Amino acid sequence: TQLLEQSPQFLSIQEGENLTVYCNSSSVFSSLQWYRQEPGEGPVLLVTVVTGGEVKKLKRLTFQFGDARKDSSLHITAAQPGDTGLYLCAGVELGGYQKVTFGTGTKLQVIP
Amino acid sequence: DTAVSQTPKYLVTQMGNDKSIKCEQNLGHDTMYWYKQDSKKFLKIMFSYNNKELIINETVPNRFSPKSPDKAHLNLHINSLELGDSAVYFCASSPGYRGHEQYFGPGTRLTVT
Repeated sequence: TQLLEQSPQFLSIQEGENLTVYCNSSSVFSSLQWYRQEPGEGPVLLVTVVTGGEVKKLKRLTFQFGDARKDSSLHITAAQPGDTGLYLCAGVELGGYQKVTFGTGTKLQVIP
Repeated sequence: DTAVSQTPKYLVTQMGNDKSIKCEQNLGHDTMYWYKQDSKKFLKIMFSYNNKELIINETVPNRFSPKSPDKAHLNLHINSLELGDSAVYFCASSPGYRGHEQYFGPGTRLTVT
């Protein structure tokens, strides 16, 4: 089973600050997905990055896929309380059924 | 319109009991999944079905038995419940099984006492 380690595990910041969440693995992935999960709900897909080095922006969120397709990062600019939640990266395995393996998660709290 | 729905939302039961969780999706997707999220929020795949056929069966005790009566439904039956089964169980669906984005249900919080 491929492992995806996220860092940091927990992050508590003030509104308006910037932050970066990292998702690392020793395995190569076909693509990588980022989800956000709010308390009492299921994860919701934010973005999928497919090509090594790809950068995607979603308003104040910037996602990058590593050149070697082993890692990814999520950068949030000027965080808002509405960004609070659990962020999960998910790697899509190469070949076979292309199973999705979820990362260990980063819990973000943005304080007003 | 609810895309992926699960029932019940909460389930409290005693050790040794048998329970079922139901899942339905109205997205027309071919693939459905069951995930377990533990107390540390780690989300681990348990099973995946594509067009009613089991394609992924992770290392899960055989007390857990999924059943897919049709493409839109995937139920999970658990026999002889143990304390360690306490977790949140998520159903999800995707258009296909090859790394497509997944749509999750709201989860079922199972507490075994």
